[in-house]
Amino acid sequence: SQKIEQNSEALNIQEGKTATLTCNYTNYSPAYLQWYRQDPGRGPVFLLLIRENEKEKRKERLKVTFDTTLKQSLFHITASQPADSATYLCALEGTGGFKTIFGAGTRLFVKA
Amino acid sequence: KAGVTQTPRYLIKTRGQQVTLSCSPISGHRSVSWYQQTPGQGLQFLFEYFSETQRNKGNFPGRFSGRQFSNSRSEMNVSTLELGDSALYLCASSPVAGGQGEQYFGPGTRLTVT
Repeated sequence: SQKIEQNSEALNIQEGKTATLTCNYTNYSPAYLQWYRQDPGRGPVFLLLIRENEKEKRKERLKVTFDTTLKQSLFHITASQPADSATYLCALEGTGGFKTIFGAGTRLFVKA
Repeated sequence: KAGVTQTPRYLIKTRGQQVTLSCSPISGHRSVSWYQQTPGQGLQFLFEYFSETQRNKGNFPGRFSGRQFSNSRSEMNVSTLELGDSALYLCASSPVAGGQGEQYFGPGTRLTVT
């Protein structure tokens, strides 16, 4: 069955460092991969979308890579800040018969 | 533009009852998707509607149903509530169908079944 795995443990990093979050998937050939941020008690907020034919996407301090051979996406936050502390969700979408699959999320803590 | 709104925000129901949740998408968005979020299962896709038609459905029992109106507003209904239905129900809208674009989530409805 289709499966998405994100860093199972929480990620603790120091302010100013780069946070790297991992999303691995199996038994799926996604056309799109998205990253969302979710704060406690709130709905997810869209951050970045990357297509299967794209290797890398950037937006301000955020960078996403997508390796369809390794079936992996990496999400980087550079110059991290305490305000970046949240849960980050990876989501996969195929074509034809839309059904989004979300990972369990990685909790990021950025210490000042 | 106003964001996605969901009503009610909190709901407490008893086992066996039914519940209807409402979602108003961002103006101009014709796709509305529903998700269930629980600590154990994470975010799980329920169904997606586009132009009043259900395009896809997740692996949930028939007790979970939905519909979309001509103004793109959507409702989700759960009948014969079970304790395991306690969850945060999230609605997301998108300007395109088929998951080809980002989704904008509402704040969710927290359903507690006792």
